[in-house]
Amino acid sequence: EAGVTQFPSHSVIEKGQTVTLRCDPISGHDNLYWYRRVMGKEIKFLLHFVKESKQDESGMPNNRFLAERTGGTYSTLKVQPAELEDSGVYFCASSDYRGGSYEQYFGPGTRLTVT
Amino acid sequence: GQQVMQIPQYQHVQEGEDFTTYCNSSTTLSNIQWYKQRPGGHPVFLIQLVKSGEVKKQKRLTFQFGEAKKNSSLHITATQTTDVGTYFCAGSGGGADGLTFGKGTHLIIQP
Repeated sequence: EAGVTQFPSHSVIEKGQTVTLRCDPISGHDNLYWYRRVMGKEIKFLLHFVKESKQDESGMPNNRFLAERTGGTYSTLKVQPAELEDSGVYFCASSDYRGGSYEQYFGPGTRLTVT
Repeated sequence: GQQVMQIPQYQHVQEGEDFTTYCNSSTTLSNIQWYKQRPGGHPVFLIQLVKSGEVKKQKRLTFQFGEAKKNSSLHITATQTTDVGTYFCAGSGGGADGLTFGKGTHLIIQP
């Protein structure tokens, strides 16, 4: 099966601009997650979709971040307007119940640089 | 909120030596997962531990979950160059919840 894909792989934008990241989960996975790793720090949970519904968005840093998953398939994460501290690697993951666990499959990540 | 501490941050070993990384959670976990990230790559699931005191083995890797379900360890016996990468523990409150990651341990192997 195809893995989780993310687009773009890299994005360099200026402070104040808008960027939209896209994640395509593994087909059939109801659970989709966004995580972020800022340099030197741990991977931090942002939010969790179950199908098209936001199950948990407690990790979203502020209202400059907007995540959507229309139709319960792919998801987008928009940052508007971007700030310098938003730089980092944004990972998407998806999961389904298998073998007694919700093993999360991570995508390759989008490296966002805000200058 | 839940915090997961992981030590050490870096570990240099000679090839063939053993390696251990430790995780400690501020709260009781429903389960703990371990991931490996190769340089330039993304986290790849290794294993999930659910039961108190659980021990699981995958070839040279041994994973333990503490009795109180607040700490965990990963031990690699006789490291090989293919073991290079960052090992993360990640705690979960249960089910399909999002994960709380430790900072990871970077394993560097000198041949």
